[in-house]
Amino acid sequence: EVQLLESGGGLVQPGGSLRLSCAASGFTFTNYAMSWVRQTPGKGLEWVSTVSGDGGRTFYADSVKGRFIISRDNSKNALYLQMNSLRAEDTAVYYCAKVWGGNYFDYWGQGALVTVSS
Amino acid sequence: EIVMTQSPATLSVSPGERATLSCRASQSVSSNLAWYQQRPGQAPRLLISGASARVTGIPARFSGSGSGTEFTLTISSLQSEDFAVYYCQQSYNWPLTFGGGTKVEIK
Repeated sequence: EVQLLESGGGLVQPGGSLRLSCAASGFTFTNYAMSWVRQTPGKGLEWVSTVSGDGGRTFYADSVKGRFIISRDNSKNALYLQMNSLRAEDTAVYYCAKVWGGNYFDYWGQGALVTVSS
Repeated sequence: EIVMTQSPATLSVSPGERATLSCRASQSVSSNLAWYQQRPGQAPRLLISGASARVTGIPARFSGSGSGTEFTLTISSLQSEDFAVYYCQQSYNWPLTFGGGTKVEIK
């Protein structure tokens, strides 16, 4: 059974940093790209970032480019999102998602809430 | 960036009735489109990929159609568990983008 479990969410001040982690199990982690997708409270979904299976290629939404860094540790079946220079508009539930087929998201974690506020 | 527009924002349907949801892309995405269902308090769930291919385990009452810029998700006979928010997503190019969602509510 595929499981994705996010951790590391919380309250952070504007300009601060936070690191999200996602522990993956139930599939061959290195074979799949992984992504972060966020959802602002009561609003829709926004793709944030994707990393290839070997970690060699990364992609970012313009809204986070230069501030967020996606990475993975295939020896630990773990995905990360380092979030720097956080802004109020980054407040959201952040989902870890497994990428399948043509960049679709076939499994999602339960989400980690990040709140950016003073 | 490809903008995905969903309509209507809210659809009121009685149980057992048919629901038709629309998704329009600002430029062609060929068949690189997915549909997701999100129930309250849950993560999204992939229903349809490649515009029309139902994911394993998804009931046959869900069907997707369309290509290019116009897409449709049809739920043939709404069950109680189908009342949720539905999102489309294009994977034709970066950045990956979602529509704003259609909420299917009980009439």
